[in-house]
Amino acid sequence: KNEVEQSPQNLTAQEGEFITINCSYSVGISALHWLQQHPGGGIVSLFMLSSGKKKHGRLIATINIQEKHSSLHITASHPRDSAVYICAVRFGGTGNQFYFGTGTSLTVIP
Amino acid sequence: NAGVTQTPKFQVLKTGQSMTLQCAQDMNHNSMYWYRQDPGMGLRLIYYSASEGTTDKGEVPNGYNVSRLNKREFSLRLESAAPSQTSVYFCASSGHPNYGYTFGSGTRLTVV
Repeated sequence: KNEVEQSPQNLTAQEGEFITINCSYSVGISALHWLQQHPGGGIVSLFMLSSGKKKHGRLIATINIQEKHSSLHITASHPRDSAVYICAVRFGGTGNQFYFGTGTSLTVIP
Repeated sequence: NAGVTQTPKFQVLKTGQSMTLQCAQDMNHNSMYWYRQDPGMGLRLIYYSASEGTTDKGEVPNGYNVSRLNKREFSLRLESAAPSQTSVYFCASSGHPNYGYTFGSGTRLTVV
């Protein structure tokens, strides 16, 4: 069964803290996608990766193919980072279909 | 602004009514998708179109039909709405399987 699990479900942090959000999946994948859903509902693509690490500003995404695990890190967190962070994976052999986790709701307190 | 435009943003339907959700992108993307988002669940794929002229079922296609009218437009139709179709619907597009998606702003649909 193709499964995507995210942890934690909810996360509250103080401004400036280093944040880690985790994503685990059940079988081999061809790509992993991190997205951000704003409080107003809009969804923005953050990273697509299939190996290694990507960095954009204060956001860093890593993936460990052997362990079937990815992490999204936010350095020097800020209240504007408050959002739901969603992991999605494309399993090998499923064409172009992505399977989405249920998201991690992050609140950063000033 | 370039991106994915979805209409309407909100809709209330009575059970049995029909409606079409419209989606258009101006980024010359080949692939387009329709997802639904329900509380406590991840986004689930309803239908997708890998290229103009093709459509395929996703994870939850029952009760829906789609049309890829041209490269820009991909519509989702509910022929006879049911309360179980109350959800937030997102359209997305992608230029390449290894690139990220661009999402529309969503349609909040309530079926009473």
